[in-house]
Amino acid sequence: ETGVTQTPRHLVMGMTNKKSLKCEQHLGHNAMYWYKQSAKKPLELMFVYNFKEQTENNSVPSRFSPECPNSSHLFLHLHTLQPEDSALYLCASSQVGGGGQETQYFGPGTRLLVL
Amino acid sequence: GENVEQHPSTLSVQEGDSAVIKCTYSDSASNYFPWYKQELGKRPQLIIDIRSNVGEKKDQRIAVTLNKTAKHFSLHITETQPEDSAVYFCAARRSQGNLIFGKGTKLSVKP
Repeated sequence: ETGVTQTPRHLVMGMTNKKSLKCEQHLGHNAMYWYKQSAKKPLELMFVYNFKEQTENNSVPSRFSPECPNSSHLFLHLHTLQPEDSALYLCASSQVGGGGQETQYFGPGTRLLVL
Repeated sequence: GENVEQHPSTLSVQEGDSAVIKCTYSDSASNYFPWYKQELGKRPQLIIDIRSNVGEKKDQRIAVTLNKTAKHFSLHITETQPEDSAVYFCAARRSQGNLIFGKGTKLSVKP
């Protein structure tokens, strides 16, 4: 699959579980993002990585822990989540700098349900 | 902080009619304004974007207009078709900044 891929596509977890979401981009981009999409809310930016360095952390609770081992892969580690964390988690990538358009391309998302 | 307001939240039109979605932004330094379409169960996809150095851009049945003075921009869809039914998101960004999204507009096109 080309573009931005995410696994798993669906995830059900208990509040005491630990799980990880994975994102991979095949576009040669140098920036990656995690967004949270809840019903009737705008897309909420959670984390930004430019050139593998975290440049943004929008007051996200510590139960969400991002990891960016290289410019193509991004993880979101989850532990002791709350039911209100249930949402669609979207990964995106873009090319930052160099006069490029910086258009963000989204992955298909992981639908997370916390019981 | 930076904010993007989007209206209406829902829009229902008859097939063949036009649809207009409006957004306003608060950061006067914003210079890039993309529009995304998200069909049910699918990822948001860029459909058109505009930069602050132009006032209008068109791509077939879709057009976007920008009024920098008033800090608002609009999406226009003409000759709507059932497959245009989706949630549309506007966004704004300043140079080196992050995208700030509107809350989305659910467009329903009735055949």
